[in-house]
Amino acid sequence: KAGVTQTPRYLIKTRGQQVTLSCSPISGHRSVSWYQQTPGQGLQFLFEYFSETQRNKGNFPGRFSGRQFSNSRSEMNVSTLELGDSALYLCASSMRLAGDPYEQYFGPGTRLTVT
Amino acid sequence: EDKVVQSPLSLVVHEGDTVTLNCSYEVTNFRSLLWYKQEKKAPTFLFMLTSSGIEKKSGRLSSILDKKELFSILNITATQTGDSAVYLCAVLTGGGNKLTFGTGTQLKVEL
Repeated sequence: KAGVTQTPRYLIKTRGQQVTLSCSPISGHRSVSWYQQTPGQGLQFLFEYFSETQRNKGNFPGRFSGRQFSNSRSEMNVSTLELGDSALYLCASSMRLAGDPYEQYFGPGTRLTVT
Repeated sequence: EDKVVQSPLSLVVHEGDTVTLNCSYEVTNFRSLLWYKQEKKAPTFLFMLTSSGIEKKSGRLSSILDKKELFSILNITATQTGDSAVYLCAVLTGGGNKLTFGTGTQLKVEL
């Protein structure tokens, strides 16, 4: 079974631009969560989508948004990029949302550099 | 605010040593605790622990959860250089799949 895939793997953008990152979950998984990883703050939860609806949101500004499509693929968008948005953006997929907890598997990440 | 604390922050051992990594947590609506291994890429899933006192084992790695004292340990026996990585502890809370991560333990295994 293929793992979680993320595109692009690397991205360089300029301050003020916007960026869209993509995540395809493991086949059959319907929950997709996004995380930002930086050396200073570690791994921080951005938001989670299940059945095309945002179910949870972390403490990030409104410049960070996302969506999920009917095939469970998800995109996240960051508008008006700031230098501090430079990070590794990780996507995790899980089979279920509620009920008994289920493992979450991470994709390889997108390394975003803002100059 | 949910909090996950890992110790030590970093550790250097020699091949063959046994190591114990610690993770304590203060969260609301605990559902499970997960351990991940991260080399220079995405975190790789190791274990998910939901019940107290039941050890999970995979090869040289094992982990146990204490829900009364709010902590978990990850043991690695007969360490190898390939075990060098950051080990992340995360707690799943609430009604969704939100994970709160600790800062990680950087393990280096030397020859």
